[in-house]
Amino acid sequence: AQSVTQPDIHITVSEGASLELRCNYSYGATPYLFWYVQSPGQGLQLLLKYFSGDTLVQGIKGFEAEFKRSQSSFNLRKPSVHWSDAAEYFCAVGGGAQKLVFGQGTRLTINP
Amino acid sequence: DVKVTQSSRYLVKRTGEKVFLECVQDMDHENMFWYRQDPGLGLRLIYFSYDVKMKEKGDIPEGYSVSREKKERFSLILESASTNQTSMYLCASTPLGLETQYFGPGTRLLVL
Repeated sequence: AQSVTQPDIHITVSEGASLELRCNYSYGATPYLFWYVQSPGQGLQLLLKYFSGDTLVQGIKGFEAEFKRSQSSFNLRKPSVHWSDAAEYFCAVGGGAQKLVFGQGTRLTINP
Repeated sequence: DVKVTQSSRYLVKRTGEKVFLECVQDMDHENMFWYRQDPGLGLRLIYFSYDVKMKEKGDIPEGYSVSREKKERFSLILESASTNQTSMYLCASTPLGLETQYFGPGTRLLVL
C-alpha cells in the first residue's frame, strides 16, 4: 500500500534562510507526487507536482522539489523563505484510481 | 480557476445530531473527495465519488455517509454526530484521468 512519511512535524527557520522539507514515500510503481500548502484556516493549495520527466520540479511561490527514486524521496526546497511562507505543508502520493495518500504534514514557522 | 466551495466554514453541533456538510465545484469535475484533517494525522480519506450516484469508501468511512445526486455537489453526512468527529473536513475535486486535486476552504466542525 502507498504511504507517505514527513519526518519533521515542526520546523522553524529564520526569514531569508533556506528551507528543505523532507518527504519519503512508499509505492511499488512510478508515483505521482505532490506538495500542497495550507495557510491557517484555509484549504490546501497545490505548490507543485511530479508525474514524469525532469526530476527537478519548479512550483509556485519560488518552491522546487526533487524526485529521487533511489531514495524514495521528494523533498521540497526554497532558497530564501519569506514570513508569508509560514504554513503547513503536505506531501502526497497518488498512483491509482486518482486517490491521494497524504503525509502527516510539516508545520513551518518563520522567525523574523 | 477551479472553485470548490463548502457550505460552512465553522459549525457547532450537539452529540446525536444529524449533520450535513455540502461541497460544490464549478468545473464539471467527475471525481470528488471528502477528507478529515486532524493534527499529526494529516488528511485521511473518508469517501469519494467518481460519478453521480456513485460512491466508494475511503480509509475511514465509519460513522459517515455521502450523497451525490448532481455532478457538482457532494455531501457528507454524519448520521449521529459524536465528539470524536470533531475535526476539519476538506472537500476536493479532480477531472477524470487527472491526479491533481483541488480543495475547498474546509469546514471546522465542533461536536459538543
